[in-house]
Amino acid sequence: SQKIEQNSEALNIQEGKTATLTCNYTNYSPAYLQWYRQDPGRGPVFLLLIRENEKEKRKERLKVTFDTTLKQSLFHITASQPADSATYLCALDGGTGFQKLVFGTGTRLLVSP
Amino acid sequence: DSGVTQTPKHLITATGQRVTLRCSPRSGDLSVYWYQQSLDQGLQFLIHYYNGEERAKGNILERFSAQQFPDLHSELNLSSLELGDSALYFCASSADSGGAYNEQFFGPGTRLTVL
Repeated sequence: SQKIEQNSEALNIQEGKTATLTCNYTNYSPAYLQWYRQDPGRGPVFLLLIRENEKEKRKERLKVTFDTTLKQSLFHITASQPADSATYLCALDGGTGFQKLVFGTGTRLLVSP
Repeated sequence: DSGVTQTPKHLITATGQRVTLRCSPRSGDLSVYWYQQSLDQGLQFLIHYYNGEERAKGNILERFSAQQFPDLHSELNLSSLELGDSALYFCASSADSGGAYNEQFFGPGTRLTVL
């Protein structure tokens, strides 16, 4: 069956360290993969999109990698801050024609001062 | 603020009832997506409309229906409500038809509680 797996346990790190979140998928062949941030009770906010022919994408303190052989994406936040505490969702195209975005269940990140 | 608006913010109703959730996309966006988020299921894609036409369907129950109007706002109708329909319902919009290759802008959500 098709699955998108993100670590369901919260990731606790100290301010200033690099946070690395993992997204693994099974029985999908996505051409696109996206990462979103979601704060409690609010709608997800888009962070980054990476295409299958891109190995890495960066935006300010954020970096995403996409390994289609391992069927995995890694999401890094460098020099993390308490304001980065949130749930991070990965999403990928789940059907033909790129109409449908399928989300993982997310990983909660807690950055302590 | 994403520019996507959803009403109402909260809705409390009883089992068996019918409700309508409303979404206005960002100015200029032609695509509207509906998602359901519950604690045990995560964010689930329901349906995608592009410029008034249905483009993709997810795990949307037969009791649920949606439409996009000529002014591009969308409504999600939920009928014969069950306790398990209690969830946050999000609407998102994007500039064109590619839900997966475009950034989606999410609204603040409607929290539905079925008693």
